[in-house]
Amino acid sequence: GAGVSQTPSNKVTEKGKYVELRCDPISGHTALYWYRQSLGQGPEFLIYFQGTGAADDSGLPNDRFFAVRPEGSVSTLKIQRTERGDSAVYLCASSQGLAGGGSSEQFFGPGTRLTVL
Amino acid sequence: AQKVTQAQTEISVVEKEDVTLDCVYETRDTTYYLFWYKQPPSGELVFLIRRNSFDEQNEISGRYSWNFQKSTSSFNFTITASQVVDSAVYFCALSEPFGTSYGKLTFGQGTILTVHP
Repeated sequence: GAGVSQTPSNKVTEKGKYVELRCDPISGHTALYWYRQSLGQGPEFLIYFQGTGAADDSGLPNDRFFAVRPEGSVSTLKIQRTERGDSAVYLCASSQGLAGGGSSEQFFGPGTRLTVL
Repeated sequence: AQKVTQAQTEISVVEKEDVTLDCVYETRDTTYYLFWYKQPPSGELVFLIRRNSFDEQNEISGRYSWNFQKSTSSFNFTITASQVVDSAVYFCALSEPFGTSYGKLTFGQGTILTVHP
């Protein structure tokens, strides 16, 4: 079946602009995660959804970042007033979540490379 | 707080050599899961293995093996008879199986493995 997909694969924007990054998880996966990976670093957690609700948004760096998952499937990460420091690869992952038990493997998408000029 | 340390930033070997990637973790949880992911040049994170905190049996899968030692909080990964295709960035990660941060992965900084022909 289809894996996790993310669009766009690359996004170049100017400082101060608004961007939306989309994640389409594996069908039936209730848990969805967003991570951010800066160059030379490991992915860092941003936010976790179980179903439609954000169960943990403790990783969002500030209030310019927001994410939604209105129907419990596709999720959109929104960044307002982008800054050069937001440049990174944004990764989305999904898993069976609670239905799969505590060991649910996370399947990652290919990421969106965001460049803020 | 959870923390994963991969002290080796880069490792370079010649094909057919064995190589071990180190991972040390910190957590206050008694139940947790450890993971290894591979990130080839294409960028997509590929799941390699999951181990729960109650299972200290070592595991072998083909040329890959994992040594989990709870006493030293380590989860090391060995590739036997390395191949050029093993060249990638390898990440060790730790997850919380319960609570509001269910499944959230904390990654190490990664080890860049280069296998020369």
